[in-house]
Amino acid sequence: QTVVTQEPSFSVSPGGTVTLTCGLSSGSVSTNYYPSWYQQTPGQAPRTLIYSTNTRSSGVPDRFSGSILGNKAALTITGAQADDESDYYCVLYMGRWVFGGGTKLTVL
Amino acid sequence: EVQLLESGGGLVQPGGSLRLSCAASGFTFSSYAMTWVRQAPGKGLEWVSTITSGGATYYADSVKGRFTISRDNSKNTLYLQMDSLRAEDTAVYYCARRMPQPTNYFDYWGQGTLVTVSS
Repeated sequence: QTVVTQEPSFSVSPGGTVTLTCGLSSGSVSTNYYPSWYQQTPGQAPRTLIYSTNTRSSGVPDRFSGSILGNKAALTITGAQADDESDYYCVLYMGRWVFGGGTKLTVL
Repeated sequence: EVQLLESGGGLVQPGGSLRLSCAASGFTFSSYAMTWVRQAPGKGLEWVSTITSGGATYYADSVKGRFTISRDNSKNTLYLQMDSLRAEDTAVYYCARRMPQPTNYFDYWGQGTLVTVSS
């Protein structure tokens, strides 16, 4: 069974840049998996950030960007702000949708 | 404005049944695939089931044979019939709109409804 892997936690300083990754337990992530990224704060519904690897969803600021880095999908936040402190989930489509375990981002 | 409003959650005993609903508005419901995603307490998100605009259905292995997704386009409503419930089905259940292939992502989400399976 293929597992989608994410860093459990990450921290970034206000104004800093952070890159979260999304990999596979076996194999490489490519654009063919149409990676998407979602942000979730406690008690709230997920919010769509990025789809099809690098397309920002409507209303998402351009400091959020998506890419493929090496063999993983990546979400980069440039100029991190306090309200970016959230859980971030990637999803890969492999004939079915498989979520990563999520990354808890702390801004401090 | 696209809105998705889930209902039907609650406390149910193991082995019991529950039907969730998701009322949609602000878009042409019949034209979109719809999805259920769940989140166990303190855990990550898990895809549960998807129904296409044409009525084709897909399920995660963890719920296959126990859950049934359906839709009523005349009522703009998505359903999830959950039978033979287990403690591990305890979660907040979100409905989400799925964008067409090939992008295949979830663009709008409801606020979720909590299902608790416990005796």
